[in-house]
Amino acid sequence: DAGITQSPRHKVTETGTPVTLRCHQTENHRYMYWYRQDPGHGLRLIHYSYGVKDTDKGEVSDGYSVSRSKTEDFLLTLESATSSQTSVYFCAISEREREKLFFGSGTQLSVL
Amino acid sequence: TQLLEQSPQFLSIQEGENLTVYCNSSSVFSSLQWYRQEPGEGPVLLVTVVTGGEVKKLKRLTFQFGDARKDSSLHITAAQPGDTGLYLCAGDMAGGFKTIFGAGTRLFVKA
Repeated sequence: DAGITQSPRHKVTETGTPVTLRCHQTENHRYMYWYRQDPGHGLRLIHYSYGVKDTDKGEVSDGYSVSRSKTEDFLLTLESATSSQTSVYFCAISEREREKLFFGSGTQLSVL
Repeated sequence: TQLLEQSPQFLSIQEGENLTVYCNSSSVFSSLQWYRQEPGEGPVLLVTVVTGGEVKKLKRLTFQFGDARKDSSLHITAAQPGDTGLYLCAGDMAGGFKTIFGAGTRLFVKA
């Protein structure tokens, strides 16, 4: 299994509070991604990174920001959480662009 | 509207039966992947197909990429309870960066 750790695995928070999810990899892969998974929508890309300090938006980036200060860590921040951001969040990595993705185990986030 | 439509959305069958799930789009993909996801875990890649008409086999699973590279199918022979899970197709659009996922087919195989 690819060395990808997501933390926390579960989080409950209140509307309006900031939330940061962490993804840590031990594979030294260049590309890292944040997806959210919702019933009926599959996995949708939030943001991705193609190197340290190099990030770009995905298809559902509004309300989210990311940072990558080290190869191994990719942080996803919800500046002011809303109920519509209740979801399961997955981090993924890949060695090369558009090559196969390895996923973490996910973070279940509930915004009340 | 999903760019990749998967059907059926849900399938419940008896052990030993055969099944086929479909992944369809009006767009052309440079490659297409199939993933399997179990509850509480992330998706795990099963196969990647890149050539129109390509067929790949993984034990009892047969994957086919359409000739026009707009669709794919996954056929499972003699399904087993261990095949239970969510099957996701994902496509890479030619010239694009991101991988597009379908909503998935949830398969339940009863012993």
